[in-house]
Amino acid sequence: GENVEQHPSTLSVQEGDSAVIKCTYSDSASNYFPWYKQELGKRPQLIIDIRSNVGEKKDQRIAVTLNKTAKHFSLHITETQPEDSAVYFCAASKYKGAGSYQLTFGKGTKLSVIP
Amino acid sequence: NAGVTQTPKFQVLKTGQSMTLQCAQDMNHEYMSWYRQDPGMGLRLIHYSVGAGITDQGEVPNGYNVSRSTTEDFPLRLLSAAPSQTSVYFCASSYAGDSPLHFGNGTRLTVT
Repeated sequence: GENVEQHPSTLSVQEGDSAVIKCTYSDSASNYFPWYKQELGKRPQLIIDIRSNVGEKKDQRIAVTLNKTAKHFSLHITETQPEDSAVYFCAASKYKGAGSYQLTFGKGTKLSVIP
Repeated sequence: NAGVTQTPKFQVLKTGQSMTLQCAQDMNHEYMSWYRQDPGMGLRLIHYSVGAGITDQGEVPNGYNVSRSTTEDFPLRLLSAAPSQTSVYFCASSYAGDSPLHFGNGTRLTVT
Protein backbone atom coordinates (compact mmCIF):
# COMPACT_ATOMS: atom_id res chain seq x y z
CA GLY A 1 0.00 0.00 0.00
CA GLU A 2 0.88 3.66 -0.01
CA ASN A 3 3.40 4.98 2.51
CA VAL A 4 3.58 8.70 3.26
CA GLU A 5 6.50 10.06 5.25
CA GLN A 6 6.42 13.57 6.66
CA HIS A 7 9.29 15.67 7.98
CA PRO A 8 10.05 17.27 10.31
CA SER A 9 7.83 16.03 13.14
CA THR A 10 8.26 19.33 14.97
CA LEU A 11 9.22 22.75 13.65
CA SER A 12 9.75 26.03 15.48
CA VAL A 13 10.10 29.32 13.60
CA GLN A 14 10.19 32.98 14.53
CA GLU A 15 7.18 35.01 13.60
CA GLY A 16 7.63 36.41 10.11
CA ASP A 17 9.96 33.62 8.97
CA SER A 18 9.02 30.92 6.47
CA ALA A 19 8.18 27.32 7.30
CA VAL A 20 8.58 24.31 5.02
CA ILE A 21 7.15 20.85 5.61
CA LYS A 22 8.08 17.98 3.30
CA CYS A 23 6.34 14.72 2.44
CA THR A 24 7.33 11.78 0.31
CA TYR A 25 5.04 9.08 -1.04
CA SER A 26 5.77 5.62 -2.34
CA ASP A 27 3.07 4.86 -4.93
CA SER A 28 3.51 6.63 -8.27
CA ALA A 29 -0.22 6.11 -8.96
CA SER A 30 -1.14 8.66 -6.27
CA ASN A 31 -2.58 11.75 -7.91
CA TYR A 32 -4.18 13.96 -5.25
CA PHE A 33 -2.25 15.58 -2.40
CA PRO A 34 -4.14 17.56 0.27
CA TRP A 35 -2.78 19.35 3.33
CA TYR A 36 -4.75 19.66 6.55
CA LYS A 37 -4.25 21.95 9.53
CA GLN A 38 -5.36 20.86 12.98
CA GLU A 39 -5.39 23.33 15.83
CA LEU A 40 -5.22 22.00 19.37
CA GLY A 41 -8.42 20.21 20.29
CA LYS A 42 -10.04 20.92 16.94
CA ARG A 43 -10.81 18.93 13.81
CA PRO A 44 -8.48 18.84 10.81
CA GLN A 45 -9.34 21.34 8.09
CA LEU A 46 -8.12 21.47 4.51
CA ILE A 47 -5.79 24.38 3.81
CA ILE A 48 -4.60 23.59 0.29
CA ASP A 49 -4.45 20.69 -2.15
CA ILE A 50 -2.76 19.87 -5.43
CA ARG A 51 -3.31 17.36 -8.19
CA SER A 52 -0.67 15.49 -10.12
CA ASN A 53 -1.12 17.51 -13.29
CA VAL A 54 0.03 20.68 -11.50
CA GLY A 55 3.51 21.47 -10.18
CA GLU A 56 2.69 24.33 -7.81
CA LYS A 57 -0.31 26.00 -6.24
CA LYS A 58 -0.52 29.16 -4.11
CA ASP A 59 -3.13 30.64 -1.83
CA GLN A 60 -1.97 33.86 -0.21
CA ARG A 61 0.81 32.91 2.26
CA ILE A 62 0.51 29.19 1.60
CA ALA A 63 1.94 27.25 -1.33
CA VAL A 64 2.36 23.61 -2.21
CA THR A 65 4.87 22.17 -4.68
CA LEU A 66 4.81 18.71 -6.20
CA ASN A 67 7.66 16.78 -7.79
CA LYS A 68 6.13 13.67 -9.35
CA THR A 69 9.45 12.27 -10.50
CA ALA A 70 10.93 12.35 -7.03
CA LYS A 71 7.55 11.54 -5.42
CA HIS A 72 7.64 14.34 -2.95
CA PHE A 73 5.52 17.40 -2.18
CA SER A 74 6.04 20.29 0.18
CA LEU A 75 4.03 22.90 2.06
CA HIS A 76 5.46 26.41 2.25
CA ILE A 77 4.13 29.02 4.66
CA THR A 78 5.56 32.52 4.31
CA GLU A 79 5.43 35.40 6.81
CA THR A 80 4.36 33.05 9.58
CA GLN A 81 2.02 34.31 12.29
CA PRO A 82 1.23 32.91 15.75
CA GLU A 83 -2.12 31.65 14.47
CA ASP A 84 -0.25 29.37 12.07
CA SER A 85 0.79 27.30 15.10
CA ALA A 86 -0.89 23.90 14.67
CA VAL A 87 -0.28 20.35 13.52
CA TYR A 88 -0.12 19.98 9.76
CA PHE A 89 -0.84 16.70 7.95
CA CYS A 90 -0.03 15.82 4.37
CA ALA A 91 -1.85 13.05 2.54
CA ALA A 92 -1.71 11.18 -0.74
CA SER A 93 -4.65 9.66 -2.59
CA LYS A 94 -4.81 7.14 -5.39
CA TYR A 95 -7.64 5.49 -7.29
CA LYS A 96 -8.19 1.85 -6.35
CA GLY A 97 -10.92 1.05 -8.85
CA ALA A 98 -14.70 0.58 -8.60
CA GLY A 99 -15.14 4.20 -7.50
CA SER A 100 -12.87 3.73 -4.49
CA TYR A 101 -9.86 5.84 -3.46
CA GLN A 102 -7.14 5.22 -0.91
CA LEU A 103 -6.09 8.27 1.14
CA THR A 104 -3.01 7.88 3.32
CA PHE A 105 -1.90 10.51 5.83
CA GLY A 106 1.54 11.42 7.05
CA LYS A 107 2.15 11.41 10.80
CA GLY A 108 1.99 15.18 11.13
CA THR A 109 4.23 18.17 11.83
CA LYS A 110 3.75 20.31 14.91
CA LEU A 111 4.53 23.89 13.90
CA SER A 112 5.19 26.46 16.60
CA VAL A 113 5.48 30.12 15.62
CA ILE A 114 7.33 32.10 18.26
CA PRO A 115 6.19 35.73 18.61
CA ASN B 1 -25.63 23.51 6.69
CA ALA B 2 -24.45 21.78 9.85
CA GLY B 3 -21.72 19.90 7.93
CA VAL B 4 -20.58 16.70 9.63
CA THR B 5 -22.09 16.03 13.05
CA GLN B 6 -20.59 13.48 15.42
CA THR B 7 -21.96 12.27 18.72
CA PRO B 8 -21.02 11.84 21.49
CA LYS B 9 -18.07 14.21 22.08
CA PHE B 10 -16.70 12.16 24.96
CA GLN B 11 -17.26 8.56 26.04
CA VAL B 12 -15.79 6.28 28.67
CA LEU B 13 -16.30 2.53 28.30
CA LYS B 14 -15.27 -0.49 30.27
CA THR B 15 -13.48 -3.33 28.49
CA GLY B 16 -16.00 -5.53 26.73
CA GLN B 17 -18.77 -2.96 26.47
CA SER B 18 -20.25 -2.04 23.12
CA MET B 19 -21.27 1.31 21.70
CA THR B 20 -22.04 3.15 18.50
CA LEU B 21 -20.45 6.42 17.42
CA GLN B 22 -22.89 8.41 15.35
CA CYS B 23 -22.01 10.43 12.26
CA ALA B 24 -24.33 12.41 10.01
CA GLN B 25 -23.72 14.84 7.15
CA ASP B 26 -26.09 17.17 5.35
CA MET B 27 -23.96 17.96 2.29
CA ASN B 28 -25.21 15.04 0.18
CA HIS B 29 -21.68 13.64 0.02
CA GLU B 30 -21.27 10.12 -1.31
CA TYR B 31 -17.98 9.43 0.44
CA MET B 32 -17.87 8.95 4.21
CA SER B 33 -15.09 7.60 6.35
CA TRP B 34 -13.96 6.99 9.90
CA TYR B 35 -10.44 7.75 11.19
CA ARG B 36 -8.76 7.26 14.49
CA GLN B 37 -6.09 9.64 15.70
CA ASP B 38 -3.46 8.53 18.16
CA PRO B 39 -0.46 10.61 19.31
CA GLY B 40 2.36 10.46 16.77
CA MET B 41 0.38 8.21 14.43
CA GLY B 42 -1.46 10.69 12.26
CA LEU B 43 -4.92 9.81 11.01
CA ARG B 44 -5.55 6.15 10.22
CA LEU B 45 -8.52 4.99 8.18
CA ILE B 46 -10.82 2.49 9.88
CA HIS B 47 -13.69 2.01 7.39
CA TYR B 48 -15.11 3.99 4.53
CA SER B 49 -18.14 4.07 2.25
CA VAL B 50 -18.49 5.21 -1.35
CA GLY B 51 -22.27 5.39 -1.16
CA ALA B 52 -25.36 4.02 0.54
CA GLY B 53 -25.15 0.26 0.91
CA ILE B 54 -21.42 0.10 0.14
CA THR B 55 -18.68 -0.12 2.78
CA ASP B 56 -15.06 -1.24 2.79
CA GLN B 57 -12.21 -1.70 5.21
CA GLY B 58 -9.42 0.76 5.69
CA GLU B 59 -6.02 0.44 7.32
CA VAL B 60 -7.14 -0.53 10.86
CA PRO B 61 -10.61 -2.17 10.66
CA ASN B 62 -10.32 -4.85 13.34
CA GLY B 63 -12.76 -4.43 16.22
CA TYR B 64 -15.03 -2.05 14.32
CA ASN B 65 -18.14 -2.46 12.19
CA VAL B 66 -19.94 0.02 9.95
CA SER B 67 -23.06 0.21 7.85
CA ARG B 68 -24.42 2.81 5.42
CA SER B 69 -28.17 2.53 5.05
CA THR B 70 -28.63 6.18 3.98
CA THR B 71 -26.47 8.79 2.28
CA GLU B 72 -26.55 10.95 5.42
CA ASP B 73 -25.56 8.50 8.18
CA PHE B 74 -22.47 6.39 8.77
CA PRO B 75 -22.33 4.92 12.30
CA LEU B 76 -19.26 3.17 13.71
CA ARG B 77 -19.82 0.26 16.07
CA LEU B 78 -17.45 -1.11 18.67
CA LEU B 79 -18.74 -4.57 19.54
CA SER B 80 -16.44 -5.36 22.45
CA ALA B 81 -14.30 -2.39 23.48
CA ALA B 82 -10.62 -2.89 24.29
CA PRO B 83 -8.11 -0.48 25.87
CA SER B 84 -6.28 -0.37 22.52
CA GLN B 85 -9.32 1.41 21.10
CA THR B 86 -8.75 4.41 23.34
CA SER B 87 -8.37 7.18 20.79
CA VAL B 88 -9.94 10.22 19.18
CA TYR B 89 -12.30 9.25 16.39
CA PHE B 90 -13.12 11.48 13.44
CA CYS B 91 -15.85 11.00 10.89
CA ALA B 92 -15.37 12.71 7.54
CA SER B 93 -17.30 13.15 4.32
CA SER B 94 -16.36 14.28 0.85
CA TYR B 95 -17.95 14.79 -2.53
CA ALA B 96 -15.66 12.15 -4.04
CA GLY B 97 -12.75 10.02 -2.98
CA ASP B 98 -10.23 12.53 -4.29
CA SER B 99 -11.83 15.72 -3.01
CA PRO B 100 -11.43 17.62 0.29
CA LEU B 101 -12.55 15.89 3.46
CA HIS B 102 -14.98 17.62 5.81
CA PHE B 103 -14.36 16.37 9.34
CA GLY B 104 -16.68 16.20 12.29
CA ASN B 105 -15.57 17.57 15.66
CA GLY B 106 -14.40 14.19 16.90
CA THR B 107 -15.22 11.77 19.69
CA ARG B 108 -12.71 11.20 22.48
CA LEU B 109 -13.11 7.59 23.61
CA THR B 110 -11.47 6.09 26.66
CA VAL B 111 -11.65 2.36 27.35
CA THR B 112 -10.67 1.28 30.86
